[in-house]
Amino acid sequence: GQQVMQIPQYQHVQEGEDFTTYCNSSTTLSNIQWYKQRPGGHPVFLIQLVKSGEVKKQKRLTFQFGEAKKNSSLHITATQTTDVGTYFCAGNAGGTSYGKLTFGQGTILTVHP
Amino acid sequence: EAGVVQSPRYKIIEKKQPVAFWCNPISGHNTLYWYRQNLGQGPELLIRYENEEAVDDSQLPKDRFSAERLKGVDSTLKIQPAELGDSAVYLCASSPTLEISTGELFFGEGSRLTVL
Repeated sequence: GQQVMQIPQYQHVQEGEDFTTYCNSSTTLSNIQWYKQRPGGHPVFLIQLVKSGEVKKQKRLTFQFGEAKKNSSLHITATQTTDVGTYFCAGNAGGTSYGKLTFGQGTILTVHP
Repeated sequence: EAGVVQSPRYKIIEKKQPVAFWCNPISGHNTLYWYRQNLGQGPELLIRYENEEAVDDSQLPKDRFSAERLKGVDSTLKIQPAELGDSAVYLCASSPTLEISTGELFFGEGSRLTVL
């Protein structure tokens, strides 16, 4: 079945440093979504990428979807303590599996003030 | 607007006991998901409903897990009997009808199950 892998599993940064997490799918995706889960909380939707090579920005967050639609990245510029949490990518294979999101294992971000 | 509501938030049971979780999705959301999240892992899909029809239950352990969504609104997920390995957070999520959806999932707070 479809597998979605994320690296790194953990990332510790000083406040103000940049952060990047990478997501790779074993199959070509119809679209990819990113979620953030605060400690003790539930996943909250951040963004969806659909087009090959797509780049979207949300303030300090930059999301990219690879040309082959099998990988994606999330980059945070100048991290803040409010960025702490686990970031998940979730891939939608499309076709007969449309609507079935497969989540990666997440990257846990710790920001030291 | 109310979000996805789940209950109970926490449940502690002994192994071999039954347990049930309840979910009320966002009004108007026809698609409902049950996910299981183990500690330090991403959510894993158990079952997906379109209205009252289970359209994907391939990852639901059917020997002990069951789910229903009568009338296409609320849903319950049951485990009987529970095993130690079932300890996890059970997340319910909903989204609008796929044909017009952006695909965003709205998650509830989750039900944390501990099996002793």
